[in-house]
Amino acid sequence: AQSVTQLGSHVSVSEGALVLLRCNYSSSVPPYLFWYVQYPNQGLQLLLKYTSAATLVKGINGFEAEFKKSETSFHLTKPSAHMSDAAEYFCAVSEGSASKIIFGSGTRLSIRP
Amino acid sequence: DARVTQTPRHKVTEMGQEVTMRCQPILGHNTVFWYRQTMMQGLELLAYFRNRAPLDDSGMPKDRFSAEMPDATLATLKIQPSEPRDSAVYFCASGPSRSGNTIYFGEGSWLTVV
Repeated sequence: AQSVTQLGSHVSVSEGALVLLRCNYSSSVPPYLFWYVQYPNQGLQLLLKYTSAATLVKGINGFEAEFKKSETSFHLTKPSAHMSDAAEYFCAVSEGSASKIIFGSGTRLSIRP
Repeated sequence: DARVTQTPRHKVTEMGQEVTMRCQPILGHNTVFWYRQTMMQGLELLAYFRNRAPLDDSGMPKDRFSAEMPDATLATLKIQPSEPRDSAVYFCASGPSRSGNTIYFGEGSWLTVV
């Protein structure tokens, strides 16, 4: 069964600093991988997804993630944090044709002025 | 602008009462998911449907929870009887059936059972 592990339930960075949110996955088949963002009192929105094309995936709001099969990782990065990036970020995995999508436990990103 | 619509947005109910949450998926999407979000457990998959048929409801407590899709435009999640531990945000999401396609979330139904 597929699963994802997000390392660090809370990450705090200064405005303008690099953002790195970690995600490792487990899957018995080549996975599809996603990052979603959740702002307070809202549903989840897709940031980016990997579907076996380019290993470096660019998403919205300047975020990108790199699929590394050897490390079973799909870490999310952004070169320069902005105050508006403060939110909860979820990594998710899907495999097979059943489209079941499993989410990690989430990482809350805080931005210091 | 296509979106997933959930009702009610907020619900406060007494323990033992029946609660029904409704979801209207995006037109044309044939896969529907129900998730529950709590501080302790995070985002849990309760059940999902494709073409109105349940594919997996193993994450759902069977004794009190039930999920159905009476038609392609409506998914329901029912809790009977409700308990305080059911207090959570319940999200519906829909998407196309192909694996790896994006799913789109509603804004959630905030349930408080007192």
